[in-house]
Amino acid sequence: NAGVMQNPRHLVRRRGQEARLRCSPMKGHSHVYWYRQLPEEGLKFMVYLQKENIIDESGMPKERFSAEFPKEGPSILRIQQVVRGDSAAYFCASSPPTGGAFFGQGTRLTVV
Amino acid sequence: AQSVTQLGSHVSVSEGALVLLRCNYSSSVPPYLFWYVQYPNQGLQLLLKYTTGATLVKGINGFEAEFKKSETSFHLTKPSAHMSDAAEYFCAVTINAGGTSYGKLTFGQGTILTVHP
Repeated sequence: NAGVMQNPRHLVRRRGQEARLRCSPMKGHSHVYWYRQLPEEGLKFMVYLQKENIIDESGMPKERFSAEFPKEGPSILRIQQVVRGDSAAYFCASSPPTGGAFFGQGTRLTVV
Repeated sequence: AQSVTQLGSHVSVSEGALVLLRCNYSSSVPPYLFWYVQYPNQGLQLLLKYTTGATLVKGINGFEAEFKKSETSFHLTKPSAHMSDAAEYFCAVTINAGGTSYGKLTFGQGTILTVHP
């Protein structure tokens, strides 16, 4: 049973470009969560999705960030017009009904 | 809203010594509590969780934690530290919101554990 799969593991983008981060949840999990880990700030919740639905996006920045979890395929976190402050580790997690969250290895975004 | 405070951003122990990582939480409703471990450049691995029932929870790698409602604490312990335990540890809290928010966690700032030979 494969764990939560994220790709790419490392992503370098120039300022102004778009970043697309992908996440496939664990088999049997239909809930996906995205978190951001900034240096010296810890892990912060961004968004919670189920298939074709955004359930809670209270942690998403108001501009440039969007997320989707289509009926088929992985969940995508999209960052438009990246800036240096977007450099961080982005983690995806999926959750079973019994609680807790299982995390992927993360995508480390560097904006140059 | 919930919050988590981890006391001590860095803890250093000798190999074989007791490990104690402190976590206090704040929640207006009964919480679900978790400890995760993160090795450098890796994701988070679930060590243990408390949802309901027995307040002493055993996890992987010899770790355990005790939920103390009166103290709003969920400290992580291990009787004897091993070099491989060196990592960053995160305490996290969520609430039972009808089974749909189990993965929406509020994390503490993390505690870096160093183990000396």
